[in-house]
Amino acid sequence: GAVVSQHPSRVICKSGTSVKIECRSLDFQATTMFWYRQFPKQSLMLMATSNEGSKATYEQGVEKDKFLINHASLTLSTLTVTSAHPEDSSFYICSARPVMADRGGLEQYFGPGTRLTVT
Amino acid sequence: GDSVTQMEGPVTLSEEAFLTINCTYTATGYPSLFWYVQYPGEGLQLLLKATKADDKGSNKGFEATYRKETTSFHLEKGSVQVSDSAVYFCALSGSLNTGFQKLVFGTGTRLLVSP
Repeated sequence: GAVVSQHPSRVICKSGTSVKIECRSLDFQATTMFWYRQFPKQSLMLMATSNEGSKATYEQGVEKDKFLINHASLTLSTLTVTSAHPEDSSFYICSARPVMADRGGLEQYFGPGTRLTVT
Repeated sequence: GDSVTQMEGPVTLSEEAFLTINCTYTATGYPSLFWYVQYPGEGLQLLLKATKADDKGSNKGFEATYRKETTSFHLEKGSVQVSDSAVYFCALSGSLNTGFQKLVFGTGTRLLVSP
């Protein structure tokens, strides 16, 4: 149980184009999903917290207009990288927190990640 | 703010060796503590967790004990396998600062196990 999928797993796009990444919780509902960015050999950087039916909360330094997040349902959140540039190339990982997570749980379930390369 | 500190890697071991990866944290209140593992090219998987002081999380031969007096959550395994080669992340959530939404991660420790 608690499987999170991401699509696509890899994407290559030209500079200036937009790319959409999907994150789905397959066997549970998630009111909250998170988007992370991971640089080579480094830890995860939280980009934003996505709540179903409301606007995402972005971390300091993350451009809202560049990284558009939509959490349209309890099982789907999308991240759109708009007008992508080579510096946006990275590994993007989403996670989901189950609706029924109890106080003692708090764990998040992670997707397999999306490797974005902007040429 | 809250933080998690892990020992720098890589940690290089031979198969069947004993593993310890140190993790200490700074947080207010009583956070929950986690170890996540990331295999090459994949996302993170929850390895184990502990939600209160003196709790021991365990899974797949790995163990970690929540030590509030030393603010530590060290990961141990008695006999590592080549398949344990991965990056291990210590994390916390649920402190008074961080709240119950976010995870605060350490920088990760790469483990390399040779046959």
